[in-house]
Amino acid sequence: NAGVTQTPKFQVLKTGQSMTLQCAQDMNHNSMYWYRQDPGMGLRLIYYSASEGTTDKGEVPNGYNVSRLNKREFSLRLESAAPSQTSVYFCASNGGHTQYFGPGTRLTVL
Amino acid sequence: KQEVTQIPAALSVPEGENLVLNCSFTDSAIYNLQWFRQDPGKGLTSLLLIQSSQREQTSGRLNASLDKSSGRSTLYIAASQPGDSATYLCAAKSNDYKLSFGAGTTVTVRA
Repeated sequence: NAGVTQTPKFQVLKTGQSMTLQCAQDMNHNSMYWYRQDPGMGLRLIYYSASEGTTDKGEVPNGYNVSRLNKREFSLRLESAAPSQTSVYFCASNGGHTQYFGPGTRLTVL
Repeated sequence: KQEVTQIPAALSVPEGENLVLNCSFTDSAIYNLQWFRQDPGKGLTSLLLIQSSQREQTSGRLNASLDKSSGRSTLYIAASQPGDSATYLCAAKSNDYKLSFGAGTTVTVRA
């Protein structure tokens, strides 16, 4: 039982490049979330998916897209990376009342 | 919009001292309040969850209280140990099930 897994762990991009962050959970949870964490700030919600086939914008969705591929997987795509998207990205899934977090992806955009 | 604040941003105590971490939120209409621990370079681990109808929760040396009317939660860690050194984040879950996080308190326990 791996919980929530994320790939890659680290990534460096140049401005304008695109990439997809992958997230998977093996806990059969319906809800999944993408957050970003910046120094001195709390986690901010980018997008979430309440169930397979649905996605909704969170607090900071601009510059991102998501896909809920199936119940297990929820990916986050940066179409044209910008330096302001340098951050640590966390995926989470919701089981009962508690959220379970992946280890994070550390992204640097030069 | 829910705003969650944690003061202080950092705290350093000698081993054995009790820790008191504060969390305040602006909208008292919350579904629950969670405390998380984050170690450097790692994800978040849930420590305690207090439902909106509860006043406190306890797990081992950890105790969390909730006062919705004043918009406050407090995490107490008894007899701190060096292994308690980490960043502690609180998060308020609203009735639409979204979490609003504080920026965290970074705790250092000196041996």
